[in-house]
Amino acid sequence: AQSVTQPDIHITVSEGASLELRCNYSYGATPYLFWYVQSPGQGLQLLLKYFSGDTLVQGIKGFEAEFKRSQSSFNLRKPSVHWSDAAEYFCAVGEWGGADGLTFGKGTHLIIQP
Amino acid sequence: DARVTQTPRDKVTEMGQEVTMRCQPILGHNTVFWYRQTMMQGLELLAYFRNRAPLDDSGMPKDRFSAEMPDATLATLKIQPSEPRDSAVYFCASAQQGNAEAFFGQGTRLTVV
Repeated sequence: AQSVTQPDIHITVSEGASLELRCNYSYGATPYLFWYVQSPGQGLQLLLKYFSGDTLVQGIKGFEAEFKRSQSSFNLRKPSVHWSDAAEYFCAVGEWGGADGLTFGKGTHLIIQP
Repeated sequence: DARVTQTPRDKVTEMGQEVTMRCQPILGHNTVFWYRQTMMQGLELLAYFRNRAPLDDSGMPKDRFSAEMPDATLATLKIQPSEPRDSAVYFCASAQQGNAEAFFGQGTRLTVV
C-alpha cells in the first residue's frame, strides 16, 4: 500500500529565509507526487506535481520540489519565504496520475517569523 | 473563474440527525472525489465517482454514509444517523479524466454534538 510521511509537524522559518519541507513516500511503482497548500479555512491548492522526466519541478508561488528515487523523497523548497506562505503543506502520492485519488501525508504547519 | 462549490460551509447538528453535503464540480470535470480531514487521521479518501458512476467507496463507513451523483453537476454525501466522531471537514474535489490535478472545494465543516 502506498503511504506518505511528512516528518515535520511544525516548521518555523524567518521571513526571507530559505525553506525545505520533507516528504518521503512508499510506493511500489513509479509514483505520481504532489504538493498541496492549505490556508486556514480554505481548500487545498496544487503547488506542483511530478510524473516523470526532469526530477526538479517548478510550481506556483516560487516553490520547487526535487524527486529523488534513491531516497524515496520529494522535498519542497523555496529560496526565500514570505509571510503569506504561512499555511499547511501536504505531500501526496497517487497511482495512475492520481486519477483514482491521492494518499496524503499528515501535513507540515509552516510558521513564518517576522 | 471555475471552482468546486460545496454547501453548506458549516454545519452543526445533533447526534442522530441526517446530514447532507453537496458539491458542484467544475463544469467538464468527470471525476469527483470526497475526502475527510481530521486532526487525528489527516486527509482520507472516502469515495470517488467517474462519469457519475461510483468507482470506489472503500474508505467510507457503509452503515451510515452514502454518496451519490444524481447528475453531472451535483455530488452528495449523506450521513444518517450522524455521530460525534463524524465531526470533520469534508472536501469535495473534481478532476478531468487524464489530468491528475484535482481541484478542491473549500470544504464543509461538520460538527456533530
